[in-house]
This record gives sequence, C-alpha cells and structure tokens, in this order.
Amino acid sequence: QVQLQESGPGLVKPSQTLSLTCSVSGGSISSGSYYWSWIRQPAGKGLEWIGRIYISGSTNYNPSLKSRVTISVDTSRNQFSLRLSSVTAADTAVYYCARGGDYGDYGMDVWGQGTTVTVSS
Amino acid sequence: QSALTQPASVSGSPGQSITISCTGTSSDVGDYNYVSWYQQHPGQAPKLMIYDVSNRPSGVSNRFSGSKSGNTASLTISGLQAEDECDYYCSSYRISSIPLYVFGTGTKVTVL
Repeated sequence: QVQLQESGPGLVKPSQTLSLTCSVSGGSISSGSYYWSWIRQPAGKGLEWIGRIYISGSTNYNPSLKSRVTISVDTSRNQFSLRLSSVTAADTAVYYCARGGDYGDYGMDVWGQGTTVTVSS
Repeated sequence: QSALTQPASVSGSPGQSITISCTGTSSDVGDYNYVSWYQQHPGQAPKLMIYDVSNRPSGVSNRFSGSKSGNTASLTISGLQAEDECDYYCSSYRISSIPLYVFGTGTKVTVL
C-alpha cells in the first residue's frame, strides 16, 4: 500500500525558508484523484492544516500561512514538497504529509510518520 | 483561523461508551457534512477514524461512530478499551474565500 515519508532539515534559522519533501512509495503520486497535504503540530499542541495540492497543480492554503507557503509536486520523482518562508520560532513543529481523496473530499487516510523541524539560531 | 472546540478531556471505564463533541459554526460543521475524526497515539501520526460525519474507513472498528446535530459533531466510542486511550481530533471543511480545512482543539481520552 501507499506509504509517505517526510524528509528535510531538522533545524532552520529564523527568517530562512523551511523546505520539506514527502516521498510517495507503493504507488504513483499521479494515479487516482488524490490530493496531497501538509499538516503540522507544535509539541504538546493540536494539528494545523497547512495546505494541499492536486496533481493538476491546483492548491489550497491555510489563509494564516498563505503568504509564506508554497506546495509543489514533482511527478517524475513521485514526491511533493513544502516551502515555508520567513520562519520564526512559532513554526517549530512536527510536520506531517498526508494523502486524501479515498474517503470523501476531506478525509486524509495515509500519513507520513512526521518530521520535527526546529527554528532556532 | 479559529479551531473547532472540543473538550480537553473525556474519561470512561472499560466497556463503557463515551462521546466527544466538536463544536463549530454554520460556516463549517453546521452547513457541511465534511467532518472527519482522527485518533492519535503519543509519538504517532494521526489515523482517520470517521469521514463525512459518520462513515468509517475500511479497517476501523465499528465501536467508533460519528454523528452531527446543528453546529456540533460527535464521536462515540462504545465498548471502551485500554487501547482507545489517546488524543482525538475532529476536522471540518470551512467555507471561506478559499477552501479551508480546520482541526479541532483535541480531546484526551482516558480509560479509567
């Protein structure tokens, strides 16, 4: 079955850009009518939706992050990516990638294990 | 954007049933049947338990059920088991100038 794996730097300096990649294995990122999402969770806190992308390239972003977020997809590498610019300590969190589309338009049933990103100088 | 409101904690004894509420507004829970529920054990990724208010993904126990009334959605866990002790999050589509997905504040379930 499809599995997701996040990767990227675990430490990012304030004001820099956070870049993460989610690699898809066990299936093609281009198959089906799926969307691919990023979600984050600060330590001890709740989940926050960052945004999602369809294979067509269509994206939806959380309005509170929209000016700083870019989600893109690379079908040749079977992966999608997150870029978050001008980071601050408030962006320190576990970042998850997830897939949706098999269970309604808003149920995400496949998740990566998460990767911890710390923003600090 | 403001999160959906859940109780911080809910507890019950093994075998009992518990219900977790998720309160939103007419811009999300109230007007759209796009409520999902996720289970999250410590150190693990969330797991989809309910989608579109009351539907269970394949493989999810029928001890978990969802419903909605007005602006409040609910997750009921029947026959409570020790393994059910963890955090639960609701989520919903929210109408906005752009499509938006919002999570609840989270509920810690304790099995007494």
